[in-house]
Amino acid sequence: DSGVTQTPKHLITATGQRVTLRCSPRSGDLSVYWYQQSLDQGLQFLIQYYNGEERAKGNILERFSAQQFPDLHSELNLSSLELGDSALYFCASSVATEGRSNSPLHFGNGTRLTVT
Amino acid sequence: AQTVTQSQPEMSVQEAETVTLSCTYDTSESNYYLFWYKQPPSRQMILVIRQEAYKQQNATENRFSVNFQKAAKSFSLKISDSQLGDTAMYFCAFMSGTYKYIFGTGTRLKVLA
Repeated sequence: DSGVTQTPKHLITATGQRVTLRCSPRSGDLSVYWYQQSLDQGLQFLIQYYNGEERAKGNILERFSAQQFPDLHSELNLSSLELGDSALYFCASSVATEGRSNSPLHFGNGTRLTVT
Repeated sequence: AQTVTQSQPEMSVQEAETVTLSCTYDTSESNYYLFWYKQPPSRQMILVIRQEAYKQQNATENRFSVNFQKAAKSFSLKISDSQLGDTAMYFCAFMSGTYKYIFGTGTRLKVLA
């Protein structure tokens, strides 16, 4: 068990809808990362937060947004969903602050989103 | 920009034999960290091994070891005594001081009975 909790595990919704994915990081981890993994593909970095502030942005669509709350949990909001948004969405957490440690990412089990 | 390349999309190995997965990366930074993650059919992402760039000694975790060649920017993973449970997708990852963890495209490893 990585200690990172993601809910829900599965989500099925229709095109055009909006969903929210939730992530609770490991106790003590201040950094939260979101990744998208389409079927049989690699991990696409979406966005990273550190202690409530956005720190790095990847290939995140404008239809997607995220935030990290004072209790350090994070939410990823996906709107105007398209079929191509169907994927496994991972949250990961790390203690890394300025990248001065070798802290690895600890991944949740992912939320599998299916857009029909 | 940093990049991570895994040139072997798929590999197979007989049970109990040894296999090496390759990974190369590109960076201009001198201090960074490298990781191998395993993703079994359950789709969980599991840390296998980590390596600090400033350490010359290759990391080892039980049957897993790395061959880190800093000058060549190469970071291969060796799995000894392969087991059926090692069947998974393996991702190489790079992390520097810019917070981003960059992942390779993965190598799908199948261990054959």
